[in-house]
Amino acid sequence: EAGVAQSPRYKIIEKRQSVAFWCNPISGHATLYWYQQILGQGPKLLIQFQNNGVVDDSQLPKDRFSAERLKGVDSTLKIQPAKLEDSAVYLCASSFTLQGNEKLFFGSGTQLSVL
Amino acid sequence: AQSVTQLGSHVSVSEGALVLLRCNYSSSVPPYLFWYVQYPNQGLQLLLKYTTGATLVKGINGFEAEFKKSETSFHLTKPSAHMSDAAEYFCACHAGGTSYGKLTFGQGTILTVHP
Repeated sequence: EAGVAQSPRYKIIEKRQSVAFWCNPISGHATLYWYQQILGQGPKLLIQFQNNGVVDDSQLPKDRFSAERLKGVDSTLKIQPAKLEDSAVYLCASSFTLQGNEKLFFGSGTQLSVL
Repeated sequence: AQSVTQLGSHVSVSEGALVLLRCNYSSSVPPYLFWYVQYPNQGLQLLLKYTTGATLVKGINGFEAEFKKSETSFHLTKPSAHMSDAAEYFCACHAGGTSYGKLTFGQGTILTVHP
């Protein structure tokens, strides 16, 4: 079974530039998550989708971050403009359902460096 | 709101020694608890989870954890460390109910195994 696919693997940009990350979840998984993992910290949920609808985006900095999952399958997370503090690993995860005891499957992440 | 605290950002053990990684949680409702492992350049993988029922949970690779409600703890143990156990470990909590799949992660504990 193919895992959660993310690209690019690494990205280096200068502050105030824009960047986009792509995620393709495991086939059949309705729920998709974007997490931000800053060095030395645990992952923090940015946004959660159920199919193509947003379930929770309370921790997404909406002035600069946006995400979409238009067809309910793959998803894109965008940062515009980027700040130095956005340097982190952006993890995408998916699960079959929204149930709280559901196992999350994580991608390998996109490591973003903002200079 | 729930929170997770992992005691010790770095733990070092000798091969064959007991592994003990500590996790305490704070939650206003009975939580679901998880341990995830992250190997270098890989995504997080589920080690084990506690939802309901038996408080001693066995996971993959010989790890187990015990849910102690009175101590609000969910410590991870393995009787005998192996070199391949070297990784970063994250404890996570989910409050269930309408929190759906939203996980709150601890800051992580890096496990080093010495020969």
